Amino acid sequence: DTEVTQTPKHLVMGMTNKKSLKCEQHMGHRAMYWYKQKAKKPPELMFVYSYEKLSINESVPSRFSPECPNSSLLNLHLHALQPEDSALYLCASSHGSGANVLTFGAGSRLTVL
Amino acid sequence: DQQVKQNSPSLSVQEGRISILNCDYTNSMFDYFLWYKKYPAEGPTFLISISSIKDKNEDGRFTVFLNKSAKHLSLHIVPSQPGDSAVYFCAADPGAQKLVFGQGTRLTINP
Repeated sequence: DTEVTQTPKHLVMGMTNKKSLKCEQHMGHRAMYWYKQKAKKPPELMFVYSYEKLSINESVPSRFSPECPNSSLLNLHLHALQPEDSALYLCASSHGSGANVLTFGAGSRLTVL
Repeated sequence: DQQVKQNSPSLSVQEGRISILNCDYTNSMFDYFLWYKKYPAEGPTFLISISSIKDKNEDGRFTVFLNKSAKHLSLHIVPSQPGDSAVYFCAADPGAQKLVFGQGTRLTINP
C-alpha cells in the first residue's frame, strides 16, 4: 500500500463549527505532515509529527489542532475558522531520513463560510 | 524572503520535444532538491531528487541537473508527452523535516 488517504475530500463549514480532517497511511512511514495550499501558491508546511510526537509547528493559529493517535493516523481538528482559512489541506508522510521524499494524499478542500 | 524560486509561471512545449523547467535557490545549506508534479484535484507526486553533492540524476525521461555555483537546478523531460501536462514544483530539503517549495510552473504539452 503506497497511498496516503485523506477524508473528507470536500468540507464546507461555518465559522462556529468544529470539524476534523483525517489522514491515514500504511507505508510504515514515521513522519507525517500537514500542509496548506492556497490557489496558485506552493504548499505551506503547518505541522510535522515524528514518531507520533509533534516536532514542528510553523506558528499555526490555535484554531488548528493536530493530533496523531498512532503511527498510521493523523488528524487536524478545526474550530472557529475564518474564511481566509479556506484552502486545500494536504497530508503527507515520509520515512523521515535521507532525502525527505514526501508521499502526499489527494487533499481535503476546505471552504469556510 | 523566497528561498526557492521558479520564475516561469507557465511553459508550453510541443509533444515529443524537450521540456526544461528551471528553479533557483538562495540557501547553500540545502541537502537535497526534489521535483514534484501536481495534477488538479490531486496531491503532489514525487518525481525525482538530487543530492547536493551530485550534479545530475536521471530516471527514465526525467533528468535533473544541479549547478551549485549558480544555485540553479533544472528538470529536463524528454520526450514530452501529453500526460506530462501538470504543475511542477521544485522543492529544497534543508534536512530538518521541512521542504521549501517554489511557486510552481504550469507545463502544457501541445499535440
